[in-house]
Amino acid sequence: DAGVIQSPRHEVTEMGQEVTLRCKPISGHDYLFWYRQTMMRGLELLIYFNNNVPIDDSGMPEDRFSAKMPNASFSTLKIQPSEPRDSAVYFCASSPQGANYNEQFFGPGTRLTVL
Amino acid sequence: KQEVTQIPAALSVPEGENLVLNCSFTDSAIYNLQWFRQDPGKGLTSLLLIQSSQREQTSGRLNASLDKSSGRSTLYIAASQPGDSATYLCAVNKIIFGKGTRLHILP
Repeated sequence: DAGVIQSPRHEVTEMGQEVTLRCKPISGHDYLFWYRQTMMRGLELLIYFNNNVPIDDSGMPEDRFSAKMPNASFSTLKIQPSEPRDSAVYFCASSPQGANYNEQFFGPGTRLTVL
Repeated sequence: KQEVTQIPAALSVPEGENLVLNCSFTDSAIYNLQWFRQDPGKGLTSLLLIQSSQREQTSGRLNASLDKSSGRSTLYIAASQPGDSATYLCAVNKIIFGKGTRLHILP
């Protein structure tokens, strides 16, 4: 298995532009998580899905952020409009159901820079 | 609200020494605690998972302990190697992370 795949790996954009981050979870995993990592705040959960349904989005900072999971193999995190304070590394992770539920597998991350 | 703290933020240790990394949490009502490793520019890799009913878990040179009553977990690394250099993060209840300890093993 290729593991969790994220694209792009790096994104540089200007303030006010729309940014879309993409994630492909490990096949067969029913849970998908989006995290944001900064030096100041560490790793923070933004939202997670179970069977493509958003379960907890309390970590989404504001209405500029939205996430979708149209099918079991694809999710997007969109920021519109982007701001310099959104600069961070965004990670996607997936987990299986059942006994191994607590095992999380992380993607390599997308480093976002908003100028 | 559960908070997870890892002190120190950075640590340098000569190769071959044993070392302990610390993780503290404020609410003892947890159901699991995980230790992760993060290499520069990479995602997180799970090292050890301790369920709330367990006291410790071992994998190779790594041993993680859990003391819920004191709100602490430790990650013990035996006979450290330069390849152990990385940032180590702990997570409570799967999704609440500490900021990590950046470990540097000196050759």
